[in-house]
Amino acid sequence: KAGVTQTPRYLIKTRGQQVTLSCSPISGHRSVSWYQQTPGQGLQFLFEYFSETQRNKGNFPGRFSGRQFSNSRSEMNVSTLELGDSALYLCASSRTEGSTEAFFGQGTRLTVV
Amino acid sequence: AQSVTQLDSQVPVFEEAPVELRCNYSSSVSVYLFWYVQYPNQGLQLLLKYLSGSTLVKGINGFEAEFNKSQTSFHLRKPSVHISDTAEYFCAVSDLGRAEKLVFGKGTKLTVNP
Repeated sequence: KAGVTQTPRYLIKTRGQQVTLSCSPISGHRSVSWYQQTPGQGLQFLFEYFSETQRNKGNFPGRFSGRQFSNSRSEMNVSTLELGDSALYLCASSRTEGSTEAFFGQGTRLTVV
Repeated sequence: AQSVTQLDSQVPVFEEAPVELRCNYSSSVSVYLFWYVQYPNQGLQLLLKYLSGSTLVKGINGFEAEFNKSQTSFHLRKPSVHISDTAEYFCAVSDLGRAEKLVFGKGTKLTVNP
């Protein structure tokens, strides 16, 4: 059974650009959550999607957005990139709402220059 | 609001020594508790979880953790570590039935020296 797949693994963007990251959850999982990991702030919850609807959102500016498709794949978008957006972005999938476990992908390392 | 405090940012130990990584949480509701491990340039791998029942939880790679409700702690232990256990360890908490939204501690970097 394939795990959570995140693409691309590495990305370099210029300040002011926008970026889209992709996450394919484990087959049969319908909930996808996104986290940002930085050395200073640690792991912070961005948002969660279930059945194509955003269920929860963390404390991030509106430049951070996401969506989920009918096949449960999810994308997150960051517009007007800032240097501080450089981070490891992790996606986690859960079978459904009310899950007891979340499975993480290997992450996308975004560097903003 | 929930919060997690990992009391040690770095823990160096020698190979085959025991180790304890400390975690305290704060929550006004009943919670699920988790320990994840992250190897360099990798995602997070679940070591173990506490949902309910027995307060001693056994996980993968010989790790175990004990849930202490009165002290709001969930410390991770291993009786004998290996070089390969060198990694960063994260304690996390979620509301019951809400593992889709985790609150993480800042992490503890475990370094196992020969």
